[in-house]
Amino acid sequence: TQLLEQSPQFLSIQEGENLTVYCNSSSVFSSLQWYRQEPGEGPVLLVTVVTGGEVKKLKRLTFQFGDARKDSSLHITAAQPGDTGLYLCAGALARGSARQLTFGSGTQLTVLP
Amino acid sequence: DAGVIQSPRHEVTEMGQEVTLRCKPISGHDYLFWYRQTMMRGLELLIYFNNNVPIDDSGMPEDRFSAKMPNASFSTLKIQPSEPRDSAVYFCASSTPGTSGSSYNEQFFGPGTRLTVL
Repeated sequence: TQLLEQSPQFLSIQEGENLTVYCNSSSVFSSLQWYRQEPGEGPVLLVTVVTGGEVKKLKRLTFQFGDARKDSSLHITAAQPGDTGLYLCAGALARGSARQLTFGSGTQLTVLP
Repeated sequence: DAGVIQSPRHEVTEMGQEVTLRCKPISGHDYLFWYRQTMMRGLELLIYFNNNVPIDDSGMPEDRFSAKMPNASFSTLKIQPSEPRDSAVYFCASSTPGTSGSSYNEQFFGPGTRLTVL
């Protein structure tokens, strides 16, 4: 059982559609990060959220940290083919090392032109 | 900066052989992490170092796996003997302590080593 559950696992949509990816846990996190990974490369950080209820925007991407700091969501508006990739959430447990990240299972997003 | 450098990028070996994966972190970063990524289990932390000292190796699957960091600019992950179930992509990542007062930091990943054990 994954400590961080992501849903959906796979998502295939048409260019211009909106989508939301979820990252859920029963554990509390001191911070949560979202990474994007492209084939043949390592994950690259998109954003870090640290305060319960925090919302951050990165162009067409909106990230939210749950009030209880147990979950997060990533919303993409008007998806483009360049958004295709594996999206990973990663959290630092509130009761663990701040340096150690636990990664979610990932959401493979495909945006069709 | 060249980013995190890993070698080799691809490794194909036979069961029972020793495999050594190499990593050069970003200069000035004092944390180094080794991860393994598979379709079944996703991205798993194997071990991490701070200032060349192993901090947590609880993710290392078994005694066949070992990691060293002899200096701030080099780390190795060794599998001896290798088994087919070790086939995966192995990532190295490095990070700084973060800004003053913060408890989080960005991890910078290398391109990974794709290991296939036949």
